[in-house]
Amino acid sequence: KNQVEQSPQSLIILEGKNCTLQCNYTVSPFSNLRWYKQDTGRGPVSLTIMTFSENTKSNGRYTATLDADTKQSSLHITASQLSDSASYICVVDSNYQLIWGAGTKLIIKP
Amino acid sequence: EPEVTQTPSHQVTQMGQEVILRCVPISNHLYFYWYRQILGQKVEFLVSFYNNEISEKSEIFDDQFSVERPDGSNFTLKIRSTKLEDSAMYFCASSPGPSYGYTFGSGTRLTVV
Repeated sequence: KNQVEQSPQSLIILEGKNCTLQCNYTVSPFSNLRWYKQDTGRGPVSLTIMTFSENTKSNGRYTATLDADTKQSSLHITASQLSDSASYICVVDSNYQLIWGAGTKLIIKP
Repeated sequence: EPEVTQTPSHQVTQMGQEVILRCVPISNHLYFYWYRQILGQKVEFLVSFYNNEISEKSEIFDDQFSVERPDGSNFTLKIRSTKLEDSAMYFCASSPGPSYGYTFGSGTRLTVV
């Protein structure tokens, strides 16, 4: 069964600190992996899309990694800001069918 | 930056009533989607739409649901005979192609009472 598992479920860190969110997937076939940021009560916003051949992709303070062999991805946030408080969702595209993770709820405290 | 616009932002309806949720996708996008998210749960796929017809739909998207592109800009989701369990955030999204990132709207919060 195609699944996307994210950890931790929730995370609280202090402003200015770094953090890493994890995503493990068992999805086949694999087309690409996406990370979305979702503010409470808002629609998801795309952060990165990574294809099979891409190991690392950055978008400002966000850096995503992908290990297609172990079927793992991570999202690293550098120098966190209060506005980073949101849910971060890992989504795997399997031949245009998106398999959604449950998200990691990140809270940044001042 | 181009946006996907959804209206209304919040709709309250009585059980059994019909609702129409409206979306204006990004103008040069060709693929349109509806998703829903029940409070505290995962985002769930409902339907995708391309070339004026449904290209894929989930098990959730039964006869209670329908989509339409009534003109060149709007994309609507109709829910007939609403049930309490239809209460959720409904998101519209559009993309230039299926392998591109999706742009989501801000959602319509549907509350069925």
